[in-house]
Amino acid sequence: DAGVTQSPTHLIKTRGQHVTLRCSPISGHKSVSWYQQVLGQGPQFIFQYYEKEERGRGNFPDRFSARQFPNYSSELNVNALLLGDSALYLCASSLEGFGYTFGSGTRLTVV
Amino acid sequence: EDQVTQSPEALRLQEGESSSLNCSYTVSGLRGLFWYRQDPGKGPEFLFTLYSAGEEKEKERLKATLTKKESFLHITAPKPEDSATYLCAVQGNRRMNRDDKIIFGKGTRLHILP
Repeated sequence: DAGVTQSPTHLIKTRGQHVTLRCSPISGHKSVSWYQQVLGQGPQFIFQYYEKEERGRGNFPDRFSARQFPNYSSELNVNALLLGDSALYLCASSLEGFGYTFGSGTRLTVV
Repeated sequence: EDQVTQSPEALRLQEGESSSLNCSYTVSGLRGLFWYRQDPGKGPEFLFTLYSAGEEKEKERLKATLTKKESFLHITAPKPEDSATYLCAVQGNRRMNRDDKIIFGKGTRLHILP
């Protein structure tokens, strides 16, 4: 069975640019969440989507946005990138919102 | 506010030297406490879910326990391949929180020396 897949695996962007990260959940999972993990810290909650609707948003600026598509895949968008946005971005999926399986992440470097 | 604190931040053990990792938590209605293993540059890998105080779960050399305020991850006779960061996380009751977010601790970096 395919797990949670994320693309790309690595990305280098310049300050001020825009980035889109993609996530395909485990087949049948309706809930997708996004987390940011800065080096040496635990993952921090960014967004949760369930059945294509936003269910929760963490303490992140409006430069961060996301959406979930009819096939339950998801995109995370970040505008006006800052150096501090450099992190591992994790996508996680769940059947009903409990007990998440994580993908391998997208390593974003902002220079 | 939901919070998870893990200790120690880092731990170096000799192969075969057993020890325990601590996770202290506060949450408005515990729905579940999770332990994950994370290797460098990879996503967290699920290990255990604990639901209520007194519960214990085991997997190979790992055993997780839960009280009303803490969880412990006991590592018995560890091997070098057990070296990783171990993350503790909690999920609160959805009646209290509209979303299903997971609150993570900062993790314990475990290094097992051969």
